[in-house]
Amino acid sequence: RKEVEQDPGPFNVPEGATVAFNCTYSNSASQSFFWYRQDCRKEPKLLMSVYSSGNEDGRFTAQLNRASQYISLLIRDSKLSDSATYLCVVIVSGSARQLTFGSGTQLTVLP
Amino acid sequence: DVKVTQSSRYLVKRTGEKVFLECVQDMDHENMFWYRQDPGLGLRLIYFSYDVKMKEKGDIPEGYSVSREKKERFSLILESASTNQTSMYLCASSLPGTNTGELFFGEGSRLTVL
Repeated sequence: RKEVEQDPGPFNVPEGATVAFNCTYSNSASQSFFWYRQDCRKEPKLLMSVYSSGNEDGRFTAQLNRASQYISLLIRDSKLSDSATYLCVVIVSGSARQLTFGSGTQLTVLP
Repeated sequence: DVKVTQSSRYLVKRTGEKVFLECVQDMDHENMFWYRQDPGLGLRLIYFSYDVKMKEKGDIPEGYSVSREKKERFSLILESASTNQTSMYLCASSLPGTNTGELFFGEGSRLTVL
């Protein structure tokens, strides 16, 4: 079983839709969680951290469920510019060496 | 803004050739990383460096070596390239810190080994 698993998609949604992705992790000792965004043929960039209490950044909401060992990303009012691959990232221990990426979920927002 | 620059965006090499991938960052970051990214497999860590001349093997170090002689520069070396090393290679840097999840990536080097 992979340490970090994501549904690869693709998710094709119309503009204005709400879409959610989940990411499951296998190591219960995982400490820190993040969502990255990667545009086609570009490098990944940090989108947002995921806090235990959940957090919001504009149209984006990230949540953590430690009991079920998953994190989620909700995008409201989807824009064409949200089309990208979304990578979840988990840190098991305090070391940057222990940073593990999921393989990503592809989102396409359609006009 | 942090800038991570990878010297070559696209390379085509032959099996058995030695390949150097260079990465330079301009933000005085202690941590530097080399990943490869393949469809369906995500980003996999090849090597990690937390200081000059210090390195740690990642998850897939076989067939690769690294060099960090200066803080700003981290090089990935393929001693004898093989076709299964055809991939996108991404360099990244970050500040030190126990739960730093923000990596700054270069634009990537797409290597094809024939």
